[in-house]
Parts: sequence; C-alpha cells; structure tokens
Amino acid sequence: SAVISQKPSRDICQRGTSLTIQCQVDSQVTMMFWYRQQPGQSLTLIATANQGSEATYESGFVIDKFPISRPNLTFSTLTVSNMSPEDSSIYLCSVSGTPSSYNEQFFGPGTRLTVL
Amino acid sequence: AQTVTQSQPEMSVQEAETVTLSCTYDTSESDYYLFWYKQPPSRQMILVIRQEAYKQQNATENRFSVNFQKAAKSFSLKISDSQLGDAAMYFCAYRSDKSNGANSKLTFGKGITLSVRP
Repeated sequence: SAVISQKPSRDICQRGTSLTIQCQVDSQVTMMFWYRQQPGQSLTLIATANQGSEATYESGFVIDKFPISRPNLTFSTLTVSNMSPEDSSIYLCSVSGTPSSYNEQFFGPGTRLTVL
Repeated sequence: AQTVTQSQPEMSVQEAETVTLSCTYDTSESDYYLFWYKQPPSRQMILVIRQEAYKQQNATENRFSVNFQKAAKSFSLKISDSQLGDAAMYFCAYRSDKSNGANSKLTFGKGITLSVRP
C-alpha cells in the first residue's frame, strides 16, 4: 500500500477565507482523488486530480470553489475557497495505481475542517 | 450510474461472535471491483477486503470474508471472532474495471456503524 500524508490534519477557519490542503504520497501513483465526508455521512467524490491538466469535477462541485492542483505524480492540493459553515467536513485524499496495488484505492488520514 | 446500498445503519455484535454486514449494488457493467473499507474513530479509511467480479471464489482476509453473489448483486462482509478493535464504521464500495482512468473512482454506500460488546 501507499503511505499518504495530509496537511493540515485539522483547522478552524473563518467564513469567507480559503484553506489549501496538501496531499503527499510516498510513491508515484496513477490516480489521485479528493473526497468530502460530512459529519456522520459517507464519502462523496469532489474531483479527480489529473497530473499536468485540469481536474475532473463531479456533479455539484466546481473549480472556482474547489481548485485543485497536481504538479507531479506524488503531490496534489485542494483549496476550499470562500468558505461557509456548510463546508465543514473531513476532506480525504485518495490514490490508486500504486506500483504494488494497481487496482486498490488508499486513503490519507483526512483533514477535519471547521468553518465558523 | 452505479449505486451502492447499505440498508442497515447500525449493528452490534458480542465479542468473539460472528457478524455479517450487508451490501447490495446496482450496475449494468460486467467487470468491476467491490471493496469493504473500515473507518474507526481516528477517521483513517482502511481497506479491509477486495473482490473482483470475474472471480467466483469469495475473498478472504484472516477473520474477514465476503459472500459475493453476482447475480443478486449482493456483497456481504462476515467478521468472525469479533474483537473490540473491529468497532468502526464500515463502507461498501464499487469501482468499475474500465481501463479509462476517469472511471476509477469509488462509489460508496452510506456505511454501517458496528459496535462490539465486551
């Protein structure tokens, strides 16, 4: 499996501000994803981070609100822009296409975001 | 579009006993993967077990096994000899086996909270 780290692990932010979450993997991976998990709920895919091109967003998520970067095969960032209390969630980075487990998807520890 | 249904929101099991968590899914595809993930209070998503749709044999990982019924589109998880550390939220997930990377995303069920009684 891959070792995935996320920064920050948690944050408390004010309404109207933005937060950038970083995801770092210890090996090159094919796919990187960003999920949102609202309190007590399941995971919802925000977007697929594509290396060298624009991210692919799921229905209901837009680039202006959740800009994503993926400059290489081991790193991605998700920005939550102009935050409101409804953005309070856990944000999880996920990867697949690791050298040892191509068909499995692994998750980072998540970033717990609280917006006041 | 694929959907994953976990109809039981909560279950409880006595320590050392066996429990089965249910999951059904809907798809028109013939090639896909199914997964069970565990999420303890630490919120780290941990892959428990994986099943390829083309395999008839049910996957097993130590105390964890699945009952995969492709025709019925059912994918249940059996936990044997339950331990206190098994207490967590469990998610069933589906992934298409199409070679297009854009179809590699996971579709999750709502999850089930498992508690283990000492």
